[in-house]
Amino acid sequence: DADVTQTPRNRITKTGKRIMLECSQTKGHDRMYWYRQDPGLGLRLIYYSFDVKDINKGEISDGYSVSRQAQAKFSLSLESAIPNQTALYFCATSDLHSGNGYTFGSGTRLTVV
Amino acid sequence: GENVEQHPSTLSVQEGDSAVIKCTYSDSASNYFPWYKQELGKRPQLIIDIRSNVGEKKDQRIAVTLNKTAKHFSLHITETQPEDSAVYFCAASSRGTYKYIFGTGTRLKVLA
Repeated sequence: DADVTQTPRNRITKTGKRIMLECSQTKGHDRMYWYRQDPGLGLRLIYYSFDVKDINKGEISDGYSVSRQAQAKFSLSLESAIPNQTALYFCATSDLHSGNGYTFGSGTRLTVV
Repeated sequence: GENVEQHPSTLSVQEGDSAVIKCTYSDSASNYFPWYKQELGKRPQLIIDIRSNVGEKKDQRIAVTLNKTAKHFSLHITETQPEDSAVYFCAASSRGTYKYIFGTGTRLKVLA
């Protein structure tokens, strides 16, 4: 089945380290998003991209950067990780034409120590 | 800026009773309102959505209502079952933006 895959599933990293979270999709969707989930805060948008040449900041982009390497790949980087970036990160995709809502990836649980 | 408020944050109901979760949005240009269910340790999954040209939509035991004047929308689950226990998120999206602003979530517990 077409899906959205995130790697790694879990990661523990040290403060100050650079880390990349990867997302790839086989759904053929053009739009891709990165959200972080924190208890009591819901899902907050970090960055989103409507195609390879389009990158947009979301609500909480400070401390993060992204790369849309191909239509199917969208990576999130933490240049210098800090403990308050500990969270569950979700990639999501959507389709320009069907408008049927997001398909979420399986998530990456990141812990910064 | 855009904001979506969701209440309550936790909700416990007896099996077979109904559950209602309410959301209020701030952007009057919002025109699409999806609801997601997230089971423990899993990804959020779309369960129902509604567009601004419709006042109500039903799918078996779940329904969503929209009041554009008051800028609020609600999820209704009837005849709740233990498998309905999860965290539910509402979201709002404005025409042309294709990005969702999510509420903070409601943890629903259905007691057997």
